[in-house]
Amino acid sequence: EPEVTQTPSHQVTQMGQEVILRCVPISNHLYFYWYRQILGQKVEFLVSFYNNEISEKSEIFDDQFSVERPDGSNFTLKIRSTKLEDSAMYFCASSEQGGTNTGELFFGEGSRLTVL
Amino acid sequence: AQSVSQHNHHVILSEAASLELGCNYSYGGTVNLFWYVQYPGQHLQLLLKYFSGDPLVKGIKGFEAEFIKSKFSFNLRKPSVQWSDTAEYFCAVSYSSASKIIFGSGTRLSIRP
Repeated sequence: EPEVTQTPSHQVTQMGQEVILRCVPISNHLYFYWYRQILGQKVEFLVSFYNNEISEKSEIFDDQFSVERPDGSNFTLKIRSTKLEDSAMYFCASSEQGGTNTGELFFGEGSRLTVL
Repeated sequence: AQSVSQHNHHVILSEAASLELGCNYSYGGTVNLFWYVQYPGQHLQLLLKYFSGDPLVKGIKGFEAEFIKSKFSFNLRKPSVQWSDTAEYFCAVSYSSASKIIFGSGTRLSIRP
């Protein structure tokens, strides 16, 4: 069964460092998302991406964050200068349907980011 | 504002008990509704979804949910829970005016053997 894969599974970094989280969405999906879950809290939407541009982003997704689809398979989330409060599990997701009819999202296993 | 509310933060049941987890969403036009489950240490998995048609939807592992439009609700039910149902359950909604899914705060379900 096709799945969304994420790397790394766990990254520890120092405050102020840049981090890139990588995702390989399901191959025929066109809509891509990043969510995060701070330990013990809700799953929060960060950004949606379609046709090589951001469709929607949340207030959390400030100038420190960026997303990119550098090639036909990877979808990356970059945090330019990490803060302690960026420590969370970051989930990538993809879907066949999106936009104004967002359908089922398929999630990866997550990348745990720990900022020291 | 578009939002999803889950009223139960933590539910504790004995095996074979019946389960109902509440979910309400704010008005915002046409919606698609979902329940996701997150087993300990695992990623989010879809339990069931409602897009249109029969408001009573059946999902995996014996779960079902009923969409009641007049109440803006999409409660999750299971007639008889098992210890393996121990997990966090998230209600989620996508609005036709947005390109994302919004999650509720989650309900932690603990099952006593």
